Amino acid sequence: GEDVEQSLFLSVREGDSSVINCTYTDSSSTYLYWYKQEPGAGLQLLTYIFSNMDMKQDQRLTVLLNKKDKHLSLRIADTQTGDSAIYFCAEMGDTDKLIFGTGTRLQVFP
Amino acid sequence: EAGVTQFPSHSVIEKGQTVTLRCDPISGHDNLYWYRRVMGKEIKFLLHFVKESKQDESGMPNNRFLAERTGGTYSTLKVQPAELEDSGVYFCASSRLRGYEQFFGPGTRLTVL
Repeated sequence: GEDVEQSLFLSVREGDSSVINCTYTDSSSTYLYWYKQEPGAGLQLLTYIFSNMDMKQDQRLTVLLNKKDKHLSLRIADTQTGDSAIYFCAEMGDTDKLIFGTGTRLQVFP
Repeated sequence: EAGVTQFPSHSVIEKGQTVTLRCDPISGHDNLYWYRRVMGKEIKFLLHFVKESKQDESGMPNNRFLAERTGGTYSTLKVQPAELEDSGVYFCASSRLRGYEQFFGPGTRLTVL
């Protein structure tokens, strides 16, 4: 079945790197996504990776995909207080509905 | 370009009452999706419209939920009668084409007492 898992919390110091991990089960997923939700706001698409890629970098964000282990990670370099939010990974398979994880709450402290 | 809007932002109702949530997608987006997040758990898919037609309603929890999209523009999601376990945040998203980026609204927080 389809299932996406994430750790619930991550706390990092400002300026350090954050790594948020995600595991998924649907090997037919074509796209994997990272969404960010700030308080009171909707889900904002941060980045995505196509399933035939291993890595994608976009400014401070690096996405790593290990298809063999069905493991996805999001690294945020030089984490800032404005990065504090809930981060959701999601997969999209043959249908275009998104399957989300539980979300990881990132807290950045000075 | 205006984003996806949802109304109301919050709704507090008593068990057994009826609530209707509204979503206005981005203009020109034929695809409209409803999702919900219950009790801090994962965000789950409810259903997908293509224009006014229901393409996939496999995530609708039961027949107390009714979604419509008259004229292929805005959509409503009615819960009747509401139960305690319906509390959560209901998100709407839209996309221009299937398989493309889904743009999310801010969500409606529903509390059933």
